[in-house]
Amino acid sequence: KAGVTQTPRYLIKTRGQQVTLSCSPISGHRSVSWYQQTPGQGLQFLFEYFSETQRNKGNFPGRFSGRQFSNSRSEMNVSTLELGDSALYLCASSRAGVSGNTIYFGEGSWLTVV
Amino acid sequence: EDKVVQSPLSLVVHEGDTVTLNCSYEVTNFRSLLWYKQEKKAPTFLFMLTSSGIEKKSGRLSSILDKKELFSILNITATQTGDSAVYLCAVEASSGSARQLTFGSGTQLTVLP
Repeated sequence: KAGVTQTPRYLIKTRGQQVTLSCSPISGHRSVSWYQQTPGQGLQFLFEYFSETQRNKGNFPGRFSGRQFSNSRSEMNVSTLELGDSALYLCASSRAGVSGNTIYFGEGSWLTVV
Repeated sequence: EDKVVQSPLSLVVHEGDTVTLNCSYEVTNFRSLLWYKQEKKAPTFLFMLTSSGIEKKSGRLSSILDKKELFSILNITATQTGDSAVYLCAVEASSGSARQLTFGSGTQLTVLP
């Protein structure tokens, strides 16, 4: 059974550009959430989607956005990139989107903003 | 604001030692506590704990939750160099129907041969 798949794995962008990251959850999982991991702040929650609806959003500026498609695949977008957006972006999925179901992480997308 | 604190921040031991990693939390409407192991890649799921006093075991790893005192411990016995990693504790608190984890800063475990 394939795990959570994220693309691209590594990318370098310039300040002011925008970036789109993709996540394919484990088959049968309908909840997809995104996290940002940096050395200074650790793992921080960005947002969570279930059945194409954003159910919760973390404390990040509006430059960070996302969406989920009918097949549960999700994308997140960061516009007007800043140097501080350099981070590992992790996607996680769980079945049915309710408490009690394990949350599994993908290998992440390493974003470097120069 | 939900808060998860892990201790120690780092730990260096020798192969064969037993280690105990700590995680305390302050959250509203606790749902579950999860432990993950992170090497230089995705966090790998270890345990999910929802009930107090019930130990979960997987090989040399075990974990238990105390919902009264708001903490959990992760034990690793007979450590091996392959156990070297960052161990992350995360708490899921109720946010309507949404799922959201609050992570601690992690414990960096180094196991020397």
